[in-house]
Amino acid sequence: SQKIEQNSEALNIQEGKTATLTCNYTNYSPAYLQWYRQDPGRGPVFLLLIRENEKEKRKERLKVTFDTTLKQSLFHITASQPADSATYLCAPTSGGFKTIFGAGTRLFVKA
Amino acid sequence: DGGITQSPKYLFRKEGQNVTLSCEQNLNHDAMYWYRQDPGQGLRLIYYSQIVNDFQKGDIAEGYSVSREKKESFPLTVTSAQKNPTAFYLCASSIAGNTIYFGEGSWLTVV
Repeated sequence: SQKIEQNSEALNIQEGKTATLTCNYTNYSPAYLQWYRQDPGRGPVFLLLIRENEKEKRKERLKVTFDTTLKQSLFHITASQPADSATYLCAPTSGGFKTIFGAGTRLFVKA
Repeated sequence: DGGITQSPKYLFRKEGQNVTLSCEQNLNHDAMYWYRQDPGQGLRLIYYSQIVNDFQKGDIAEGYSVSREKKESFPLTVTSAQKNPTAFYLCASSIAGNTIYFGEGSWLTVV
């Protein structure tokens, strides 16, 4: 069955450093992969989408890579700020309507 | 403003009682979804609908029912058959399974 793995342990980093979050998937070949941010008690908010033929995508301080050979995506936040503290979810998507999310990685950025 | 409205924000259910969570969207999206999130856990797909009058079971549909009589509305009923319904419920919508837009969620507690 399809499986999505994200770092289950929280990631603690110092303000100004780069945070790197990992998303691994098995047993399917997504056409694209999405990253979302979720704050406590709120609905997730879309951040970035990267397609299978794209190696890297950037948006302001965010960068996403997508390696279909390794079946992995890396999500980077550069010059991290305390306001970046949240849970980040990945969603490798095969196309079609059914979208499954990883369990998410909790990020804490200390001032 | 366009978006997804879920109501109520907080709901209490007695044993053996059915309850219905409302979800309305004015984004003109064809697809709508219901996810369940338990504390500290990821999102699990309950049901999704691609078009009006059609819906499919997700990974944890047992004990839940939905309807899709209008494009804008996708209510979720938590039936008495759902033995552990206490959770955070998220409604979402998308265009053809692409970027998913979430509501603010509804908290359901069994009393």
